[in-house]
Amino acid sequence: SQELEQSPQSLIVQEGKNLTINCTSSKTLYGLYWYKQKYGEGLIFLMMLQKGGEEKSHEKITAKLDEKKQQSSLHITASQPSHAGIYLCGAENRDDKIIFGKGTRLHILP
Amino acid sequence: NAGVMQNPRHLVRRRGQEARLRCSPMKGHSHVYWYRQLPEEGLKFMVYLQKENIIDESGMPKERFSAEFPKEGPSILRIQQVVRGDSAAYFCASSTYRDADTGELFFGEGSRLTVL
Repeated sequence: SQELEQSPQSLIVQEGKNLTINCTSSKTLYGLYWYKQKYGEGLIFLMMLQKGGEEKSHEKITAKLDEKKQQSSLHITASQPSHAGIYLCGAENRDDKIIFGKGTRLHILP
Repeated sequence: NAGVMQNPRHLVRRRGQEARLRCSPMKGHSHVYWYRQLPEEGLKFMVYLQKENIIDESGMPKERFSAEFPKEGPSILRIQQVVRGDSAAYFCASSTYRDADTGELFFGEGSRLTVL
């Protein structure tokens, strides 16, 4: 079965610094989702990538899907306290089932 | 257009009781997913349903857990004879056959079950 590994598991960053979160799949990705979850709350959709080499941006967050469609990275530029939370990557398989990684916990230091 | 509605948001049960979690998908959405999130962990897939059909229940425990998505009404995740290990946040998500523009899977706010 397909597995997603996110790294790092936890990240502490000074406000204003850039950071990158990675998501690696054991199988080819048919669709890759990035969500953000604030502690104790629901999930907020960030973006979805489907094509190899695709890159999307939303405000200060950029996500890329590599050409082989087995790895995605999420990059935050000039981090702010509002970026703190849990970032989850989700993978869509051929059967439309979507599985998620364990998440990366991001803390922003003022 | 209301989002995915889950209720109750919080549920407390004693061991051995039954828990019923409800999910009303977004209007027009015929696909529903249930996920479980344990404290300090990610989302674990449980079941994927379309109207009146279970498509994939590979993440559901074999015993005590069941899910349905009837023709009319919300999707129900039912946990019988709850145990302390069932304490978790249960999230529901819905979609059409994928949102045409973004591919977004729309999530509810979750139902947090605590078993005493």
